[in-house]
Amino acid sequence: NAGVTQTPKFQVLKTGQSMTLQCAQDMNHNSMYWYRQDPGMGLRLIYYSASEGTTDKGEVPNGYNVSRLNKREFSLRLESAAPSQTSVYFCASSEGWQSYEQYFGPGTRLTVT
Amino acid sequence: SQQGEEDPQALSIQEGENATMNCSYKTSINNLQWYRQNSGRGLVHLILIRSNEREKHSGRLRVTLDTSKKSSSLLITASRAADTASYFCGGSEKLVFGKGTKLTVNP
Repeated sequence: NAGVTQTPKFQVLKTGQSMTLQCAQDMNHNSMYWYRQDPGMGLRLIYYSASEGTTDKGEVPNGYNVSRLNKREFSLRLESAAPSQTSVYFCASSEGWQSYEQYFGPGTRLTVT
Repeated sequence: SQQGEEDPQALSIQEGENATMNCSYKTSINNLQWYRQNSGRGLVHLILIRSNEREKHSGRLRVTLDTSKKSSSLLITASRAADTASYFCGGSEKLVFGKGTKLTVNP
């Protein structure tokens, strides 16, 4: 039981390049989330998927797209990376949408030059 | 926004002492959760307190919730060096977090 896994762990992009961050969970959770964390800051929600087949914007969705591929997988895509997107990205999942604890992945450290 | 705001931003104590950190939030919540983050790692869930609860215990952790003041506190008793981490609170649904309290427990 691996919990929440994220790939890659580290990535360096040039401005304008695109990439997809992958996230998978093996806990049969219904809800999944993508956050970003900048130095000295809390987590900010980018997008979430309350259940399979649905996605919604969070606090900072601009510049990102997501796909809930199936119940297990939730990917985050940067279409044209910008230096402002340099951050650590965390994926999380929870059993349900409300009143459930979230389980976090180890994070992806992304640098855009 | 249901953003949690933790206070203080940083706290340094000696091993064995108690650590108290506070959280304030802006809108009504169904529950409030506390998480710990060790440096460079993902968040780990510590405790969830529902809006109809006033106090909850889990091991060395004690959480209180005052919905009239939209605030919560986390008390860690008999702290250990391993408790050194950042602590975040977040409300229900989208779990919008504040900047956290950075706790340092000195041996």
